Amino acid sequence: GAVVSQHPSWVICKSGTSVKIECRSLDFQATTMFWYRQFPKQSLMLMATSNEGSKATYEQGVEKDKFLINHASLTLSTLTVTSAHPEDSSFYICSAPDRTEYGYTFGSGTRLTVV
Amino acid sequence: QKEVEQDPGPLSVPEGAIVSLNCTYSNSAFQYFMWYRQYSRKGPELLMYTYSSGNKEDGRFTAQVDKSSKYISLFIRDSQPSDSATYLCAMSRPFGNEKLTFGTGTRLTIIP
Repeated sequence: GAVVSQHPSWVICKSGTSVKIECRSLDFQATTMFWYRQFPKQSLMLMATSNEGSKATYEQGVEKDKFLINHASLTLSTLTVTSAHPEDSSFYICSAPDRTEYGYTFGSGTRLTVV
Repeated sequence: QKEVEQDPGPLSVPEGAIVSLNCTYSNSAFQYFMWYRQYSRKGPELLMYTYSSGNKEDGRFTAQVDKSSKYISLFIRDSQPSDSATYLCAMSRPFGNEKLTFGTGTRLTIIP
């Protein structure tokens, strides 16, 4: 089946530094990638939608300059959390439509802790 | 008002019981309805999806959609301890590459 490989699975960084999260579609082409954030015991909140070769579309309230999204190829989308602060600590998950029986394949998530 | 409402639980039931999970929604444009299971610190995995109103069964799982009431359900029969997870409903409009709107998730524990 379709697989989205997400790395790293967890990361701890210092306040003020930047962290890059990668999502790769392994056996299908992901023209679209959705990026979600999930706080403990809460649902997935869509942050942005990236499309290969074009600028990402951000949801209301999400800072574009803080959460940089790049979708340079059909198999790779990245989210960079710039100048991270403790309030950015969360679980970040990517997802791509995989065109199998109306499926969306999710990455395994990245737990970011900013100290 | 949230577009999708889901009781966060937690819900604890004994092994073998029938579990009923529910979501309500307000956007009548939603046509695709999905249930995801998420284990702790993992990405969600698709359990079932349905299009428009009706029922769909897959093994021990049955998904129901009532568009007139804007209400969807997931039933789990013969529940097992391995079913313990958070269950999220999700839905979208019927266009290509549409974003999913999720419920808050219900944390379910099956007690052996």
